[in-house]
Parts: sequence; C-alpha cells; structure tokens
Amino acid sequence: GAGVSQSPSNKVTEKGKDVELRCDPISGHTALYWYRQSLGQGLEFLIYFQGNSAPDKSGLPSDRFSAERTGGSVSTLTIQRTQQEDSAVYLCASSLARQAGGGTFFGPGTRLTVL
Amino acid sequence: DAKTTQPPSMDCAEGRAANLPCNHSTISGNEYVYWYRQIHSQGPQYIIHGLKNNETNEMASLIITEDRKSSTLILPHATLRDTAVYYCIVRVENAGNMLTFGGGTRLMVKP
Repeated sequence: GAGVSQSPSNKVTEKGKDVELRCDPISGHTALYWYRQSLGQGLEFLIYFQGNSAPDKSGLPSDRFSAERTGGSVSTLTIQRTQQEDSAVYLCASSLARQAGGGTFFGPGTRLTVL
Repeated sequence: DAKTTQPPSMDCAEGRAANLPCNHSTISGNEYVYWYRQIHSQGPQYIIHGLKNNETNEMASLIITEDRKSSTLILPHATLRDTAVYYCIVRVENAGNMLTFGGGTRLMVKP
C-alpha cells in the first residue's frame, strides 16, 4: 500500500491478556516508530527501530511492553498482561533513514481498550 | 529536543486566517521548527518545517522570528476540515527522526 498500515484498527481485550499490534511501514522506509496516545493526551514515544541497529526502547513504560521488527519491515508491538491504563491509541510511523521529520508518515493507529 | 510552548486552544472563523503561535526560546542553532497536525481519530500529518527562513507550501506558511525563539504557523483560509490539534516541534534534522510531541494547540474552525 501507499501508506503505513496498522492492524487491527480496534482491539478490545480483558485485563491480564496479551495483545499484539501490527505495523506495516511504507516500503523502503528503514526507520519505524511506535507511539501511543491516551484519550485527550499528546503522543508518547515508545520505541524506535533504525535499520539493523539496536532499537531505542527508552520510551517503553514497563517490561510488559516489547516490540520486534522482522526483516527490517513489519513490526509487532506486544503488550503482556494488559492493564486498564494501557488503553490508548497506538500509532506506528515510518521514515527513510536520513529523512527530515517532514518525511515521517503515521499510520491510522490501533485503538486498544482494556476492560 | 528543545521544548516548545503553545496555547492549548484557539478558535478561528471559517475563511479567515488562522495564526498559531509557538515559543521555542531554547532552540539551538541546528534545530529546525516542524509543524504537524492531528485531525480527530487520525494519525499526525506533517505540515511544514523550516530552519530560519520563512517557508510556504500548499498547506500553510511558517514565519520564524529573526532570533528564532518563536514562530507562527499560518493557515491562510481556514476551513472546517482544518479543525485539529497542531503540534510545534523543534528538533535536529536526522536526529534519529524521532518526534517529541507536546500538548499542541487545539484549533477549532467555526462556521
């Protein structure tokens, strides 16, 4: 596709369950980011992948959160033992390696609701 | 990334110019000013960016003061579809491309 895609668009889960969120970046983009946005709040950085380098995990809120990027393309964000405070919209973005911030493209997000 | 300060909300009449201010008094010489917006239920969208010269594209104009401590995003003829949260971000170009979002300005365009 032409843009960043994410799936599912909506996810409702019960507290304590694990969830996986998927991101398909724009083809050829080597940089991939995950952000989350709680209701009425700004964007919160979670993790950043750049090519084959070790990811920047400095934004992950706890060890229940992890992400991987296979083959330098698709990324999966996993949240284990979900809590109600994990409810948010999870946004994925991608860009070329040395593109300025103007070239960062965001997906539509996955709305996660933890009951 | 340097921090920015924006008013939390603004109103604008449809068809009029929307002028969105941003203060970035601690900006460094190699940091750019970027503007993004987020329309309800969508991901952020890039608008424009600049270093020290004023910039214009099909979406907006960016006016940066000579001392670079503040800037203004101008939507020349606001429409209802411009209602969104507008984020002003300062960052070094190619700094891992990570964007640090603050609270932004919620612009409400009214008929």
